[in-house]
Amino acid sequence: DAGVTQSPTHLIKTRGQQVTLRCSPISGHKSVSWYQQVLGQGPQFIFQYYEKEERGRGNFPDRFSARQFPNYSSELNVNALLLGDSALYLCASSGRTGGYNEQFFGPGTRLTVL
Amino acid sequence: GIQVEQSPPDLILQEGANSTLRCNFSDSVNNLQWFHQNPWGQLINLFYIPSGTKQNGRLSATTVATERYSLLYISSSQTTDSGVYFCAVWGKLTFGKGITLSVRP
Repeated sequence: DAGVTQSPTHLIKTRGQQVTLRCSPISGHKSVSWYQQVLGQGPQFIFQYYEKEERGRGNFPDRFSARQFPNYSSELNVNALLLGDSALYLCASSGRTGGYNEQFFGPGTRLTVL
Repeated sequence: GIQVEQSPPDLILQEGANSTLRCNFSDSVNNLQWFHQNPWGQLINLFYIPSGTKQNGRLSATTVATERYSLLYISSSQTTDSGVYFCAVWGKLTFGKGITLSVRP
């Protein structure tokens, strides 16, 4: 079975632009979470979606938004890009929301903002 | 929120040596995972271990939830074990800062 997939793999944008990142969960998984990992740090939680509803939000500005589609895939949107948004963006899927569920990560999208 | 501390921050081993990586967390949790991040950024699941002990080949892990810590053991280390090891606990899957392991031939 395919694991979590993300697209694109790499992306270069300039300050002020907008970007959309995509994630497809493992087949049968209904929960998708997004994380930002800057160089030298651990991933930071951005959003969790379950059954198309937002179930959690991390400490990120309103420039960050996300949604989940009926097929459980998800998009992360970032508006008005800043240099500090340069990072590896990771998507994870799990079978359920809340505790007692193992998260599986995709390969990530590496975003560079110039 | 939950605080996750990993130690040591860096570890250098000779191939064949054993090592213990530690993860302390500040509150009770019902989800703890260990990951290995490869040089390309992929997070590879090692263990899902909210409590108890598990083993997978040369790797094993123990979580003592009542004392709020988890240990990852690597035996007979190989150069391919090099990379960054993260533990993460539920609380919006809060990650530690990671342990950078370098195994020298």
